[in-house]
Amino acid sequence: AQTVTQSQPEMSVQEAETVTLSCTYDTSESDYYLFWYKQPPSRQMILVIRQEAYKQQNATENRFSVNFQKAAKSFSLKISDSQLGDAAMYFCALMEYGNKLVFGAGTILRVKS
Amino acid sequence: NAGVTQTPKFRILKIGQSMTLQCTQDMNHNYMYWYRQDPGMGLKLIYYSVGAGITDKGEVPNGYNVSRSTTEDFPLRLELAAPSQTSVYFCASSYQGNTIYFGEGSWLTVV
Repeated sequence: AQTVTQSQPEMSVQEAETVTLSCTYDTSESDYYLFWYKQPPSRQMILVIRQEAYKQQNATENRFSVNFQKAAKSFSLKISDSQLGDAAMYFCALMEYGNKLVFGAGTILRVKS
Repeated sequence: NAGVTQTPKFRILKIGQSMTLQCTQDMNHNYMYWYRQDPGMGLKLIYYSVGAGITDKGEVPNGYNVSRSTTEDFPLRLELAAPSQTSVYFCASSYQGNTIYFGEGSWLTVV
């Protein structure tokens, strides 16, 4: 069964600094997708970044990048130059090909000015 | 392009009442999902569908039913509402299990 674990219930970062959110997962498949979603207080689910497991290159979207370690089943999110608007709940999620999306419990990110 | 549309956005139900949360998508996605999110928690899968006429249970299906008669629509039925079903409900869709797009959520309170 797919499982996703986010071990950091809450993280804080100073504005303009860098923060890394951790995520580990378990799957028996070799081909799957990994995602980071952002959920602000409005509860809207916003896709931050997506990684395909067969691609060794780490995905990057502007200030957001991932460190994908397939053998270790680790998928951390790095946010550079943190901004006040980055404050939100962040969810890591796993999808096996053709299957359902399973979420971690989330990490609350607080950004200090 | 409307994406994923859920209705209603807010609803208060009395214990024992029934209701249907509507979800429609205009992206011709084959996969559709219903999730619930309790306060301070992650999303849990209720039901999902890989195409019209096909549905399957997720982690927390008890107390809910779904149908998928068309590609566009995936309604979620709550029978005999209970306080434990107070939550925010999200409908989502994707193509071939690719990136999932979410609706804006439906806030349901059972009193």
